[in-house]
Amino acid sequence: EVQLQQSGPELVKPGASVKMSCKASGYTFTSYVMDWVKQKPGQGLEWIGYINPYNDGTKYNEKFKGKATLTSDKSSSTAYMELNSLTSEDSAVYYCARKLWGFDSWGQGTTLTVSS
Amino acid sequence: NIVMTQSPKSMSMSVGERVTLRCKASENVGIYVSWYQQKPEQSPKLLIYGTSNRYTGVPDRFTGSGSATDFTLTINNVQAGDLADYHCGQNYIYPPTFGTGTKLELK
Repeated sequence: EVQLQQSGPELVKPGASVKMSCKASGYTFTSYVMDWVKQKPGQGLEWIGYINPYNDGTKYNEKFKGKATLTSDKSSSTAYMELNSLTSEDSAVYYCARKLWGFDSWGQGTTLTVSS
Repeated sequence: NIVMTQSPKSMSMSVGERVTLRCKASENVGIYVSWYQQKPEQSPKLLIYGTSNRYTGVPDRFTGSGSATDFTLTINNVQAGDLADYHCGQNYIYPPTFGTGTKLELK
């Protein structure tokens, strides 16, 4: 069974950075790209970007270039997303999701709250 | 970016009814449209990919159709467990984009 286990909720101050994780199991980590998606409360889904764990290739939504950095660790089958220069606009739930024809498996989400 | 517009924003239904949710793309996205179900406090779940292909384990009460710019998700014999937000998304052109969702509520 494919599982994506994300790290716990984060409360961080404006201007800080945060790094969240997504540990994959149940499939070959390097065979699928890992995408990240943002969802603000009561709103739709917004694609941030993806990383290809096979070669660490990345692709970002223009809106998130400079805001998000995607990395991965093949040895632990874990993908990471770092967000910097945080503001209240970054407060949201962030999902990792495996994509093939659609986003077929999702993590449980990491809730980020940016507040002083 | 391609804009996906969903209608209606919310819909009230009774158990056993048939409901149709719509999604319109701002430009041609071929058949590269997926539908996701998101229940309260849960992650989205893939229902339909490639416009009309049911994902593993999805009941045949859920049917996707359409092409180019106009797509629909039909739910036959709606059950109480179908109460959720439904999102459409396109992955034809980067960046992938999603609609703002349709909320299915009980009448």
